[in-house]
Amino acid sequence: EDQVTQSPEALRLQEGESSSLNCSYTVSGLRGLFWYRQDPGKGPEFLFTLYSAGEEKEKERLKATLTKKESFLHITAPKPEDSATYLCAVQASGNTGKLIFGQGTTLQVKP
Amino acid sequence: DTAVSQTPKYLVTQMGNDKSIKCEQNLGHDTMYWYKQDSKKFLKIMFSYNNKELIINETVPNRFSPKSPDKAHLNLHINSLELGDSAVYFCASSSRQTGSGYTFGSGTRLTVV
Repeated sequence: EDQVTQSPEALRLQEGESSSLNCSYTVSGLRGLFWYRQDPGKGPEFLFTLYSAGEEKEKERLKATLTKKESFLHITAPKPEDSATYLCAVQASGNTGKLIFGQGTTLQVKP
Repeated sequence: DTAVSQTPKYLVTQMGNDKSIKCEQNLGHDTMYWYKQDSKKFLKIMFSYNNKELIINETVPNRFSPKSPDKAHLNLHINSLELGDSAVYFCASSSRQTGSGYTFGSGTRLTVV
């Protein structure tokens, strides 16, 4: 069964304290791995798609990496405005577009 | 311009009532989805339509019925609402051709009392 597990569930950082979020997955043929950011009371906002092991993508203070079993979202020198829930999802190959989500990591960055 | 818009944003209703949530996208995407997010923020797919055709129908009670009048609209009708239906419902759209990530709406918080 396709499954996504994210860790930790919650993470508190001081401003400027870099860290990483983990997304472990099992899927019957990976078509893509997606990262989203969700702010309270809003819908998830697309960040990155990764397609194959070894791929990396960056956006401002965020960098996503992918291996055959997991993905990391590295946050470098975070700011309070990076506080949000970060969601990881996988799409299996041959799929109908369905995304399977992890339970998310809630990040709080304190000034 | 809002890319994926849902109405209403909040919905409070009594058990046993019937209610609908509407969704519209102006991105030209060919696929639309309904997801349910529970109190632990876990997002789970309910339905998906591609060009008005139902392509995903997860294990969802028959009380939930999606309808897609055209590829820009996907509505969700819920009959005989139960307490356990309380959740946030998200509409999303994507392009199967480009394999792009979903664009989500802002959600509808349904509270059944």
